[in-house]
This record gives sequence, C-alpha cells and structure tokens, in this order.
Amino acid sequence: EPEVTQTPSHQVTQMGQEVILRCVPISNHLYFYWYRQILGQKVEFLVSFYNNEISEKSEIFDDQFSVERPDGSNFTLKIRSTKLEDSAMYFCASSEGGGNSPLHFGNGTRLTVT
Amino acid sequence: AQSVTQLGSHVSVSEGALVLLRCNYSSSVPPYLFWYVQYPNQGLQLLLKYTSAATLVKGINGFEAEFKKSETSFHLTKPSAHMSDAAEYFCAVSVARGGYSTLTFGKGTMLLVSP
Repeated sequence: EPEVTQTPSHQVTQMGQEVILRCVPISNHLYFYWYRQILGQKVEFLVSFYNNEISEKSEIFDDQFSVERPDGSNFTLKIRSTKLEDSAMYFCASSEGGGNSPLHFGNGTRLTVT
Repeated sequence: AQSVTQLGSHVSVSEGALVLLRCNYSSSVPPYLFWYVQYPNQGLQLLLKYTSAATLVKGINGFEAEFKKSETSFHLTKPSAHMSDAAEYFCAVSVARGGYSTLTFGKGTMLLVSP
C-alpha cells in the first residue's frame, strides 16, 4: 500500500539554525499538509498546500515557516530560525482531494531544538 | 470553527473486554469525522471515517464508531480488546473547504490493555 514517507526520523538542531523537513506524499495525491504535535499536546494543523500554493495556514505558521514542492515528488517544511518551542513531532500528510477524503500521514520527524 | 473533545486521556481495559473511547464534536456545518490510531514511534493511521453515509461505520482491526447527531458524538468501540490494540487514539473533525479538508484533532486517548 502506498505511504507517505518522511525524512529524517529525528533531527537535532541548535536554536537559531534553519531546518528542512522532507516528505514524499503518495504519488497520486493532490493535497499536502503539515501538522505538528508538541510532546503531551494535541496534533495541530500548520498548513495545507495545493497546486503549488498554500491553501490555508494556522496561526502557528508564521513567517519563520515556509513550504515548498521543489519537484514532482518532494514536499518540504522549512523553519528559518528555530526556537526551543519548535521542538515537536512534525507530521506530513497527503490526500486525494475532496472534503471527505482522509489524510494519510507519514511517521513523522521528531525535531529537537537545543 | 470546529472542535473535538475526547473524554479521558487514558483508558484501561483487560484483554477481551469491551473498548469504548469517547469523542464529542462541535461543528457549525455537517462534519466529517475520523478516528486515527498512533502506535509508538509511528505516524497516524486511519481507523475509520464518517462522511454522511451510514451512521454506523466499521473500520480496521474490528473497530467501529457510531455517529449520533443528537448527541454530537462519535464514540469508538471494539467488542473485545486485544493486546495489540494498545496505542493512542485520536478523534478528528473536518469541514470541507473546496477540495481539501483541515483536520482538527482531539487531545487523544491512550488505550492500555492488560492481560
């Protein structure tokens, strides 16, 4: 069964550094998403992406964050200058499209900012 | 705006016992509802979804959920728990926005299964 893959599984970075989290969505999916889960808290929506542009973003997704689909397969989340509070599990997801189509999630990247 | 409340951060059952995980939602428009499961060190896996067809929805691994509009609930059940069911379960609601949907998750319920 096709799946969403994320790399790396764990990223450690120093405060102020830039990080790029990578995702390969399911190949025939059209909509892409990033969510995050701070330890012990709920899974929170960051951003949705369709047709090479952001469809919706949450308050969390400020100017420090950006997303890109640099080629036909990858979908990336960049954090320009990481802060301690960016430490979380980041999940990429994709869906076929249509409001009721389920999101398929990757296994996540655990980001630790020191 | 939509929201989800999951009652109980932890639920403990014995192997073979009934599993009941509670979820209540709030939505100003007819919602789509989902249950996801997260095993340790893994991503979120879809268990089942409600999309305005049958109110009783069957999912993978013997789980099912019933949509009750009058109670704004979408509780997850399984008749007989198995050790392998131990995981964290998330209820989520979405509202369609054009072709995509933005999921709002509950805080999750950790299911513990004892022998």
